[in-house]
Amino acid sequence: DVKVTQSSRYLVKRTGEKVFLECVQDMDHENMFWYRQDPGLGLRLIYFSYDVKMKEKGDIPEGYSVSREKKERFSLILESASTNQTSMYLCASSSRRTGAREKLFFGSGTQLSVL
Amino acid sequence: QKEVEQDPGPLSVPEGAIVSLNCTYSNSAFQYFMWYRQYSRKGPELLMYTYSSGNKEDGRFTAQVDKSSKYISLFIRDSQPSDSATYLCAMSAGEYGNKLVFGAGTILRVKS
Repeated sequence: DVKVTQSSRYLVKRTGEKVFLECVQDMDHENMFWYRQDPGLGLRLIYFSYDVKMKEKGDIPEGYSVSREKKERFSLILESASTNQTSMYLCASSSRRTGAREKLFFGSGTQLSVL
Repeated sequence: QKEVEQDPGPLSVPEGAIVSLNCTYSNSAFQYFMWYRQYSRKGPELLMYTYSSGNKEDGRFTAQVDKSSKYISLFIRDSQPSDSATYLCAMSAGEYGNKLVFGAGTILRVKS
């Protein structure tokens, strides 16, 4: 069964802390994504990666960075957490094959609260 | 104006009703259209996937795409309480590197 696993279900952090969100997929997918989901705003793309060590900015990259050292793992880093980064963070992956790129598999999400 | 518009609801229907969920979009380059279902406290899961215009049916679910009107729909027949979830439309132009654009999601509640 296809699986995208996010390391934490709930996280509470303080303003200014450096925060790491980890995501692992077991489907040998080339593409990996980080989204945040906020009520009324839907899913917004933060960063994505099409290959190991590659990364591209999404729609809202400010205040975030990413790391992809291995194909199966994609990490999201909040360099200095702020209260406006309180949100649900969703990791997703997809195959590079034509017709499959848009079929995203999502993890269960990490609800991050920054106090 | 958002690139993809979706009524957030909530939409409340009795069990057994036919449900119609809709999205409109402005980018005529979109050619891949998807519906994702998201249960409470879970990540979205792909429900329907359509390329270009036309209809696609899968059990109780039918996805329709009308590119001339820039309008997509998801129909659920014989709705069940287990269909209660948020339904997100998503679309893409499909070019390499092009990203999915999501609607904000419609909350559906099916009452038994």
